[in-house]
Amino acid sequence: DTGVSQNPRHKITKRGQNVTFRCDPISEHNRLYWYRQTLGQGPEFLTYFQNEAQLEKSRLLSDRFSAERPKGSFSTLEIQRTEQGDSAMYLCASSSGVNTDTQYFGPGTRLTVL
Amino acid sequence: TQLLEQSPQFLSIQEGENLTVYCNSSSVFSSLQWYRQEPGEGPVLLVTVVTGGEVKKLKRLTFQFGDARKDSSLHITAAQPGDTGLYLCAGEGDTGGFKTIFGAGTRLFVKA
Repeated sequence: DTGVSQNPRHKITKRGQNVTFRCDPISEHNRLYWYRQTLGQGPEFLTYFQNEAQLEKSRLLSDRFSAERPKGSFSTLEIQRTEQGDSAMYLCASSSGVNTDTQYFGPGTRLTVL
Repeated sequence: TQLLEQSPQFLSIQEGENLTVYCNSSSVFSSLQWYRQEPGEGPVLLVTVVTGGEVKKLKRLTFQFGDARKDSSLHITAAQPGDTGLYLCAGEGDTGGFKTIFGAGTRLFVKA
């Protein structure tokens, strides 16, 4: 059984470029979450999927951010026209939603915007 | 708005010492998780507590969920350098929502 995987692990881009991250959740998990984490802080919720449906989005998720989970399995997070303030660790987590919503995290994608 | 406050924010101790970190809220949570995160990696789940007053032990780590399910503590006995990391608590709301709230974490450094 593999855990949550994320690709790429690191991304360096220039301001104004678009970037896309991928998350593959634990196979039997139907819930998938995206978080952003900056240095010294806990993860901040961005968005959440139940199967392919995006059920909740944070106010942190500006118009430049979009997330999809087209087949209810893997998910992508795209950031358009990146800004230096987007530099952070982007974490994906999944959960089964059975009894509790305990979430299991991937290793994250570290984004650096120059 | 539900908030989780963790204390202390930073803790530096010598190997062999005991320590306790706290996670507090004015809100009730249906469950609470503790994670440990190392630099450049995602948080790794340590434990989930569900029942008020519940105590769980994981080797030298003891986790307690408050009776009212509003707070939790993590006690580490005889800390080792390998315990160094960011300890995060996360609470699942008790209002039927799906969103989990994270604290800002306690950064622990154990010196050899």
